[in-house]
Amino acid sequence: TQLLEQSPQFLSIQEGENLTVYCNSSSVFSSLQWYRQEPGEGPVLLVTVVTGGEVKKLKRLTFQFGDARKDSSLHITAAQTGDTGLYLCAGPPAPGNTPLVFGKGTRLSVIA
Amino acid sequence: KAGVTQTPRYLIKTRGQQVTLSCSPISGHRSVSWYQQTPGQGLQFLFEYFSETQRNKGNFPGRFSGRQFSNSRSEMNVSTLELGDSALYLCASSWGTGGDEQYFGPGTRLTVT
Repeated sequence: TQLLEQSPQFLSIQEGENLTVYCNSSSVFSSLQWYRQEPGEGPVLLVTVVTGGEVKKLKRLTFQFGDARKDSSLHITAAQTGDTGLYLCAGPPAPGNTPLVFGKGTRLSVIA
Repeated sequence: KAGVTQTPRYLIKTRGQQVTLSCSPISGHRSVSWYQQTPGQGLQFLFEYFSETQRNKGNFPGRFSGRQFSNSRSEMNVSTLELGDSALYLCASSWGTGGDEQYFGPGTRLTVT
């Protein structure tokens, strides 16, 4: 079973601070997806990274896929209270038509 | 375009009862997946349907079952409810099967007492 481990599990920061959360695996993934889930809602897809070493930016969020495609990181610049939520990484085990594997997530709280 | 809808949003049942949850995918999506989310275990895959056929199944007991209709709408059923079945049940739709990007509904919060 391919596992995705996310760290830290919990993170509480002040508004305006920067932060990085991590998603690691001992196995290779063909791609990784990042989702954000707010209380009372389902996860919402933020981005998919596909190529080893790829960097994608979504406003203040920067996503990176490791060169070996075993890890990914999410960096948030100048966090805002609206960034509060559970950040999940997920990936399809490679190769084959198998369901996504999800990490347990990083719960981020941004305090004003 | 309307998102994924799930009904009901909240449900309280007692042990031994059964429950049926419903999911309507995004128009045009033919794949529907179901997940169970708990604080301890995170998001766990239940099963996936594509064009009315179950394509993948997670490691859950046979009390958990599902089906998909010709209009892609899906239902999942849990029989003989146990306290441990209390969870948020999420439905997600996608264009294709397997590891495609998932579009989630808001979930059904099931509490078993």
